[in-house]
Parts: sequence; C-alpha cells; structure tokens
Amino acid sequence: GAGVSQSPRYKVTKRGQDVTLRCDPISSHATLYWYQQALGQGPEFLTYFNYEAQPDKSGLPSDRFSAERPEGSISTLTIQRTEQRDSAMYRCASSSGTGGQETQYFGPGTRLLVL
Amino acid sequence: AQSVTQLDSQVPVFEEAPVELRCNYSSSVSVYLFWYVQYPNQGLQLLLKYLSGSTLVESINGFEAEFNKSQTSFHLRKPSVHISDTAEYFCAVSGFGNEKLTFGTGTRLTIIP
Repeated sequence: GAGVSQSPRYKVTKRGQDVTLRCDPISSHATLYWYQQALGQGPEFLTYFNYEAQPDKSGLPSDRFSAERPEGSISTLTIQRTEQRDSAMYRCASSSGTGGQETQYFGPGTRLLVL
Repeated sequence: AQSVTQLDSQVPVFEEAPVELRCNYSSSVSVYLFWYVQYPNQGLQLLLKYLSGSTLVESINGFEAEFNKSQTSFHLRKPSVHISDTAEYFCAVSGFGNEKLTFGTGTRLTIIP
C-alpha cells in the first residue's frame, strides 16, 4: 500500500480481555516494528520482524504480549489479559531494509484504553 | 545500551524567531541519529537523519541538525520558525547493525503568532 496502516485506530476494552492490533506495512518493506508510547513519553521499542522472522523480542514487557507476521507482510500484536497499565498508543513502522540506518515509516497508531 | 535525553518538554517561540531543540544521547557503540516530527493529528515522520559523513544535516523545510560526537549531541535548529512548524519533535538513536530505535521523550514546539 501507499503507507503503513493500522487498525483499529481506537480500542476501548475492559481489564482482563484480550486485544489484537493489526499493522499493514508498506508493501515492499521487509522490516516491521512495533512500539508502545505512553502519554507524555516517546515511543518505546517492543519487537521487530525481518520478513516473518522475529529476531528481537526484548522490548515486550511481559509474556502477555506477543506478535506475529506469519507471511512476512501483515503483522498482529496481541495483548492477553489486558491491564490498565497497557493503556497507550501502539505504533507500527516499516522499513525497506535492516541495519539501523533505515528510515522507519510509521502508521497512525492504535490508541488503546483499558478500563 | 543506548539512551536519548530531550531536556525541554515544551518550547514556545515567536513566529520568525530562531529555535533550538536540544538532544543528547549515550551509546556504547557508534550511532545513527534521527529527528522525527509529529504534526497535530498525524503520525510520526522522519525530519532528518545523520548516518555518516558531514556532521551537518538538513531537512527540506529549513531545519538542520549537527552531530557533535565529543558532546554526544544532535541539536535541531531553525533560523526562523513558521506557524506550520508547530509539532512534537522526537530525537532518536540506533546503533550500527541494531534495529532498535531509542526515542527521547519529545519536545513540543509551539509557535506564537
């Protein structure tokens, strides 16, 4: 697609429910990233994919968080048994390559509110 | 490990005045440096980046940033701001071969007419 898209744009859920967020990267991009951004903070790295491989999960805050990219394109981020502290903006980005120097193109984000 | 410090959370500036947004970083390896901008109701987008070579990098809309290795800084400057520069600006760093992009907490630039 022309840009990175994310859905839903807004999600309100009750504590204890599971949520799944979706990211559709730029079609030619091999690398996909997930970030969590709390209010008043900068984005914090969660994980990234190179095609379908997931070399770095170090930023996932707990085992309640998981991400997939089974066919190397669309990715999902799932949060199980949500807690109020999971409320944040979740940002997805994609880039054409790897190595740290690539420009990351960000989607509009999904704002999650856990009641 | 790497980190980014943006000491100024908010910077108000009169229109047509100069501005400097400060960014300092720490890293145990050589770095790439970025400034991303978020305009109201929009997503993050790259403003400029330093990879190697000339330490002064420029954006298409008049911003520039200078990589200073000895001071571990990458401050963003513009000689004359416009209302359309109102946005939140994030400094970010990545290490060579490291996909992880580490962001600062952001600086909200407000332009006063």
